[in-house]
Amino acid sequence: KAGVTQTPRYLIKTRGQQVTLSCSPISGHRSVSWYQQTPGQGLQFLFEYFSETQRNKGNFPGRFSGRQFSNSRSEMNVSTLELGDSALYLCASSLAAINYGYTFGSGTRLTVV
Amino acid sequence: DAKTTQPPSMDCAEGRAANLPCNHSTISGNEYVYWYRQIHSQGPQYIIHGLKNNETNEMASLIITEDRKSSTLILPHATLRDTAVYYCIVSNNAGNMLTFGGGTRLMVKP
Repeated sequence: KAGVTQTPRYLIKTRGQQVTLSCSPISGHRSVSWYQQTPGQGLQFLFEYFSETQRNKGNFPGRFSGRQFSNSRSEMNVSTLELGDSALYLCASSLAAINYGYTFGSGTRLTVV
Repeated sequence: DAKTTQPPSMDCAEGRAANLPCNHSTISGNEYVYWYRQIHSQGPQYIIHGLKNNETNEMASLIITEDRKSSTLILPHATLRDTAVYYCIVSNNAGNMLTFGGGTRLMVKP
């Protein structure tokens, strides 16, 4: 079966712009999480959605937002980009997090210049 | 959420068992232990998880001490493809928020 698909794979944006990243979970998976990975901070949890509801949010500023659609596809948005937002953004999906673990996508590498 | 402590790096000879330790002394009764690994430039890969009993799947075995304050991930016959960063995570109660630490960089050598 198809894995978690993230688009685009690579993105270059300018400071002050906004960006939207997309994630298509594995078919049937309703929990979708987003993570940011940087060399300095490692992997950090952004937020988790289940059935279009945000259930958990990490410690990120309000410039980071997300949503989930009725088909479980998810998007995350970063507004007013800063150089420090350059990172690998990873999406993960799960059938039921507590017993199945998460399947991660390959990520979107965002570079802010 | 409970924090985990892992050695920053370990080496293992190809074909031998790799035993990766993790300390989670502040784990609470209903928190699960998860193990993921990340091979360079890829997203993390789920390996195994457990609550209090030892667990085994096609990839690895997870041994959790009786007091649940530590665990060991065992890769029974390590191959070069097992070279990766291994993360031990104690999740929140719902299992939907993973707090990654620094992990252990496992190097499998020929």
